[in-house]
Amino acid sequence: QKEVEQDPGPLSVPEGAIVSLNCTYSNSAFQYFMWYRQYSRKGPELLMYTYSSGNKEDGRFTAQVDKSSKYISLFIRDSQPSDSATYLCAMGEDSWGKLQFGAGTQVVVTP
Amino acid sequence: GAVVSQHPSWVICKSGTSVKIECRSLDFQATTMFWYRQFPKQSLMLMATSNEGSKATYEQGVEKDKFLINHASLTLSTLTVTSAHPEDSSFYICSARPRDRAEYSNQPQHFGDGTRLSIL
Repeated sequence: QKEVEQDPGPLSVPEGAIVSLNCTYSNSAFQYFMWYRQYSRKGPELLMYTYSSGNKEDGRFTAQVDKSSKYISLFIRDSQPSDSATYLCAMGEDSWGKLQFGAGTQVVVTP
Repeated sequence: GAVVSQHPSWVICKSGTSVKIECRSLDFQATTMFWYRQFPKQSLMLMATSNEGSKATYEQGVEKDKFLINHASLTLSTLTVTSAHPEDSSFYICSARPRDRAEYSNQPQHFGDGTRLSIL
Protein backbone atom coordinates (compact mmCIF):
# COMPACT_ATOMS: atom_id res chain seq x y z
CA GLN A 1 0.00 0.00 0.00
CA LYS A 2 1.29 3.42 -0.96
CA GLU A 3 1.79 5.98 1.78
CA VAL A 4 -0.26 8.53 -0.14
CA GLU A 5 -3.17 7.59 -2.36
CA GLN A 6 -4.56 9.90 -5.01
CA ASP A 7 -6.95 9.11 -7.85
CA PRO A 8 -5.10 9.83 -11.12
CA GLY A 9 -8.27 10.83 -12.97
CA PRO A 10 -8.70 12.36 -15.47
CA LEU A 11 -11.35 14.54 -13.90
CA SER A 12 -13.29 16.55 -16.45
CA VAL A 13 -15.51 19.46 -15.39
CA PRO A 14 -17.26 22.27 -17.24
CA GLU A 15 -15.99 25.81 -16.83
CA GLY A 16 -17.40 27.45 -13.71
CA ALA A 17 -17.88 24.21 -11.80
CA ILE A 18 -16.22 23.32 -8.52
CA VAL A 19 -13.28 20.96 -8.78
CA SER A 20 -12.96 18.60 -5.84
CA LEU A 21 -9.69 16.73 -5.28
CA ASN A 22 -8.57 14.55 -2.42
CA CYS A 23 -5.84 12.34 -1.05
CA THR A 24 -5.69 9.76 1.69
CA TYR A 25 -2.60 8.78 3.59
CA SER A 26 -1.48 6.18 6.09
CA ASN A 27 1.33 7.84 8.05
CA SER A 28 -0.13 9.51 11.12
CA ALA A 29 3.12 11.42 11.63
CA PHE A 30 2.44 13.69 8.66
CA GLN A 31 1.87 17.24 9.90
CA TYR A 32 2.41 19.39 6.82
CA PHE A 33 0.19 19.17 3.79
CA MET A 34 0.57 20.80 0.42
CA TRP A 35 -1.15 20.97 -2.91
CA TYR A 36 0.86 21.57 -6.06
CA ARG A 37 -0.22 22.31 -9.61
CA GLN A 38 1.91 20.91 -12.41
CA TYR A 39 1.54 21.79 -16.06
CA SER A 40 2.89 19.39 -18.65
CA ARG A 41 6.69 19.14 -18.58
CA LYS A 42 7.00 21.81 -15.89
CA GLY A 43 7.95 21.70 -12.25
CA PRO A 44 5.31 21.69 -9.51
CA GLU A 45 3.94 25.04 -8.36
CA LEU A 46 2.80 25.39 -4.76
CA LEU A 47 -0.88 26.27 -4.39
CA MET A 48 -1.69 25.65 -0.74
CA TYR A 49 0.35 24.81 2.34
CA THR A 50 -1.31 23.86 5.62
CA TYR A 51 -0.19 22.61 8.97
CA SER A 52 -2.17 20.01 10.93
CA SER A 53 -5.96 19.85 10.68
CA GLY A 54 -8.28 22.60 9.53
CA ASN A 55 -9.26 24.67 6.55
CA LYS A 56 -7.37 27.27 4.58
CA GLU A 57 -8.71 29.51 1.87
CA ASP A 58 -6.84 31.50 -0.75
CA GLY A 59 -8.86 33.08 -3.50
CA ARG A 60 -10.65 30.37 -5.43
CA PHE A 61 -8.77 27.61 -3.60
CA THR A 62 -9.76 25.93 -0.34
CA ALA A 63 -7.68 23.24 1.33
CA GLN A 64 -9.02 20.99 4.06
CA VAL A 65 -7.14 18.59 6.30
CA ASP A 66 -8.80 15.97 8.46
CA LYS A 67 -6.04 14.21 10.35
CA SER A 68 -8.45 11.94 12.21
CA SER A 69 -9.52 10.45 8.89
CA LYS A 70 -6.12 10.89 7.22
CA TYR A 71 -7.85 12.72 4.40
CA ILE A 72 -7.05 15.98 2.67
CA SER A 73 -9.00 17.90 0.05
CA LEU A 74 -8.58 20.75 -2.38
CA PHE A 75 -11.52 22.64 -3.84
CA ILE A 76 -11.28 24.99 -6.79
CA ARG A 77 -14.25 27.30 -7.21
CA ASP A 78 -15.31 28.90 -10.48
CA SER A 79 -12.94 26.69 -12.43
CA GLN A 80 -11.33 28.06 -15.58
CA PRO A 81 -9.78 26.29 -18.58
CA SER A 82 -6.43 27.60 -17.33
CA ASP A 83 -6.90 25.41 -14.25
CA SER A 84 -6.44 22.36 -16.48
CA ALA A 85 -3.33 20.68 -15.08
CA THR A 86 -2.22 17.85 -12.85
CA TYR A 87 -2.73 18.47 -9.15
CA LEU A 88 -0.39 16.75 -6.72
CA CYS A 89 -0.88 16.43 -3.01
CA ALA A 90 2.24 16.21 -0.87
CA MET A 91 2.87 15.81 2.79
CA GLY A 92 5.67 15.58 5.29
CA GLU A 93 6.42 14.96 8.94
CA ASP A 94 8.21 18.25 9.31
CA SER A 95 8.44 21.44 7.31
CA TRP A 96 12.07 20.98 6.32
CA GLY A 97 12.29 17.30 5.48
CA LYS A 98 11.36 15.20 2.53
CA LEU A 99 7.90 15.17 1.07
CA GLN A 100 5.75 12.22 0.05
CA PHE A 101 3.76 12.92 -3.11
CA GLY A 102 0.50 11.52 -4.39
CA ALA A 103 0.32 10.25 -7.96
CA GLY A 104 -1.42 13.43 -9.12
CA THR A 105 -4.92 13.97 -10.51
CA GLN A 106 -5.27 15.25 -14.05
CA VAL A 107 -7.96 17.91 -14.24
CA VAL A 108 -9.52 19.10 -17.48
CA VAL A 109 -11.79 22.14 -17.41
CA THR A 110 -13.80 22.40 -20.60
CA PRO A 111 -15.03 25.77 -21.92
CA GLY B 1 9.56 35.27 -5.49
CA ALA B 2 12.16 32.60 -5.04
CA VAL B 3 13.33 31.02 -8.28
CA VAL B 4 15.06 27.73 -8.92
CA SER B 5 16.62 27.26 -12.32
CA GLN B 6 17.40 23.90 -13.89
CA HIS B 7 19.65 23.39 -16.86
CA PRO B 8 19.33 21.91 -19.38
CA SER B 9 15.58 21.72 -19.77
CA TRP B 10 15.82 18.89 -22.30
CA VAL B 11 18.67 16.63 -23.29
CA ILE B 12 18.90 13.74 -25.72
CA CYS B 13 21.99 11.57 -25.74
CA LYS B 14 23.28 8.16 -26.70
CA SER B 15 23.28 5.21 -24.37
CA GLY B 16 26.47 4.99 -22.34
CA THR B 17 27.14 8.71 -22.04
CA SER B 18 27.06 10.71 -18.83
CA VAL B 19 24.75 13.64 -18.40
CA LYS B 20 25.04 16.48 -15.89
CA ILE B 21 21.99 18.44 -14.73
CA GLU B 22 22.37 21.68 -12.81
CA CYS B 23 20.03 23.10 -10.20
CA ARG B 24 20.54 26.70 -9.08
CA SER B 25 18.72 28.82 -6.55
CA LEU B 26 18.79 32.27 -8.14
CA ASP B 27 17.83 34.63 -5.36
CA PHE B 28 18.25 32.71 -2.14
CA GLN B 29 20.70 30.40 -0.45
CA ALA B 30 19.72 26.77 -0.19
CA THR B 31 21.26 24.55 2.45
CA THR B 32 19.33 21.56 1.15
CA MET B 33 18.38 20.50 -2.33
CA PHE B 34 16.23 17.55 -3.29
CA TRP B 35 16.37 15.54 -6.51
CA TYR B 36 13.25 13.83 -7.82
CA ARG B 37 12.47 11.63 -10.77
CA GLN B 38 9.08 11.54 -12.43
CA PHE B 39 7.98 8.96 -15.03
CA PRO B 40 5.04 9.78 -17.34
CA LYS B 41 1.73 10.03 -15.50
CA GLN B 42 3.40 9.12 -12.23
CA SER B 43 4.26 11.05 -9.13
CA LEU B 44 7.53 12.58 -8.06
CA MET B 45 9.83 10.05 -6.46
CA LEU B 46 12.55 11.40 -4.23
CA MET B 47 15.96 10.16 -5.31
CA ALA B 48 18.28 11.91 -2.90
CA THR B 49 18.72 14.79 -0.51
CA SER B 50 21.85 16.88 -0.76
CA ASN B 51 23.18 19.24 1.85
CA GLU B 52 25.79 21.86 1.05
CA GLY B 53 29.27 20.64 1.81
CA SER B 54 28.35 17.07 2.69
CA LYS B 55 27.54 13.80 0.97
CA ALA B 56 24.07 13.25 -0.41
CA THR B 57 21.60 10.91 1.26
CA TYR B 58 20.08 8.51 -1.25
CA GLU B 59 16.67 6.88 -1.03
CA GLN B 60 16.40 3.14 -0.95
CA GLY B 61 16.85 1.60 -4.37
CA VAL B 62 18.68 4.59 -5.89
CA GLU B 63 22.23 3.75 -7.00
CA LYS B 64 24.56 6.38 -5.64
CA ASP B 65 27.34 5.41 -8.05
CA LYS B 66 25.04 5.91 -11.00
CA PHE B 67 23.44 9.16 -9.85
CA LEU B 68 26.24 11.37 -8.62
CA ILE B 69 25.21 14.42 -6.66
CA ASN B 70 27.43 17.35 -5.85
CA HIS B 71 26.29 20.29 -3.73
CA ALA B 72 29.37 22.45 -3.78
CA SER B 73 27.79 25.79 -2.90
CA LEU B 74 24.69 27.24 -1.29
CA THR B 75 23.21 28.00 -4.70
CA LEU B 76 24.21 25.06 -6.87
CA SER B 77 23.66 21.31 -6.88
CA THR B 78 24.40 18.99 -9.77
CA LEU B 79 23.10 15.54 -10.65
CA THR B 80 25.22 13.45 -13.00
CA VAL B 81 23.66 10.37 -14.55
CA THR B 82 26.63 8.17 -15.35
CA SER B 83 26.63 5.70 -18.22
CA ALA B 84 22.99 6.48 -18.93
CA HIS B 85 20.75 3.83 -20.47
CA PRO B 86 17.25 4.06 -21.99
CA GLU B 87 15.64 3.04 -18.69
CA ASP B 88 17.11 6.22 -17.16
CA SER B 89 14.98 8.32 -19.48
CA SER B 90 12.71 10.38 -17.24
CA PHE B 91 11.84 13.85 -16.02
CA TYR B 92 14.28 14.96 -13.33
CA ILE B 93 13.21 17.76 -11.00
CA CYS B 94 15.15 19.48 -8.28
CA SER B 95 13.88 21.54 -5.40
CA ALA B 96 15.68 23.82 -2.98
CA ARG B 97 14.96 24.56 0.66
CA PRO B 98 15.80 28.12 1.67
CA ARG B 99 18.42 28.65 4.31
CA ASP B 100 16.43 31.45 5.88
CA ARG B 101 13.74 29.96 8.15
CA ALA B 102 11.44 32.90 7.52
CA GLU B 103 11.67 32.19 3.81
CA TYR B 104 10.69 28.53 4.00
CA SER B 105 8.03 28.90 6.63
CA ASN B 106 5.63 29.79 3.81
CA GLN B 107 7.04 27.48 1.20
CA PRO B 108 9.31 24.66 2.34
CA GLN B 109 10.64 23.78 -1.11
CA HIS B 110 10.98 25.72 -4.34
CA PHE B 111 10.92 23.57 -7.45
CA GLY B 112 12.78 23.94 -10.70
CA ASP B 113 11.08 23.38 -14.04
CA GLY B 114 12.64 19.99 -14.54
CA THR B 115 14.96 18.36 -17.06
CA ARG B 116 13.62 15.95 -19.60
CA LEU B 117 16.24 13.28 -20.22
CA SER B 118 15.93 11.00 -23.24
CA ILE B 119 18.49 8.25 -23.74
CA LEU B 120 18.57 6.65 -27.18
